[in-house]
Amino acid sequence: ELKVEQNPLFLSMQEGKNYTIYCNYSTTSDRLYWYRQDPGKSLESLFVLLSNGAVKQEGRLMASLDTKARLSTLHITAAVHDLSATYFCAVDQNYQLIWGAGTKLIIKP
Amino acid sequence: DTAVSQTPKYLVTQMGNDKSIKCEQNLGHDTMYWYKQDSKKFLKIMFSYNNKELIINETVPNRFSPKSPDKAHLNLHINSLELGDSAVYFCASSLSSGRGIAYFGAGTRLSVL
Repeated sequence: ELKVEQNPLFLSMQEGKNYTIYCNYSTTSDRLYWYRQDPGKSLESLFVLLSNGAVKQEGRLMASLDTKARLSTLHITAAVHDLSATYFCAVDQNYQLIWGAGTKLIIKP
Repeated sequence: DTAVSQTPKYLVTQMGNDKSIKCEQNLGHDTMYWYKQDSKKFLKIMFSYNNKELIINETVPNRFSPKSPDKAHLNLHINSLELGDSAVYFCASSLSSGRGIAYFGAGTRLSVL
């Protein structure tokens, strides 16, 4: 059974700092997704990573995938308050997405 | 136009009542899902339909019954509501089963009193 683990589950940081969220998964998969959820809102897709070594960037967020290590990272550069949200990773298995528990990110001015 | 729309947005009801949540997607996707998100934000899949056929039916009480009249609609009916059913329910759709980006509705916040 595929398990997806994110860490940390909670992160409070200052604006301007860099940090990384980690997503480990337990069995082979060829697709990994990152989503963002603002408080009280829906989930919004950020990135889809399709192959080993894939890297995608959007603004201050950069996601990467290492399928051999079964690890994806979401790196935040020079964080700003607007990036405060909960971030989820999810992995394809058997026609469904298996979700991590989410990382609640609070960025203080 | 909203890609995945679900109604109502809020639902407050008494224990024992029956309620329905409706979902429609205008993206032309083949697959639709119902997810439950609890107070700790943990996201759990409940059902998945592909072209109106049930393909995932996770361990949920049989008080929950999905219905897909066509591939653009997936409704969720809940009988005999219990306190533990209080959560946010999200509808989502994707191009095909478990593949491709899932697009989520705004969620229905269900409170059972």
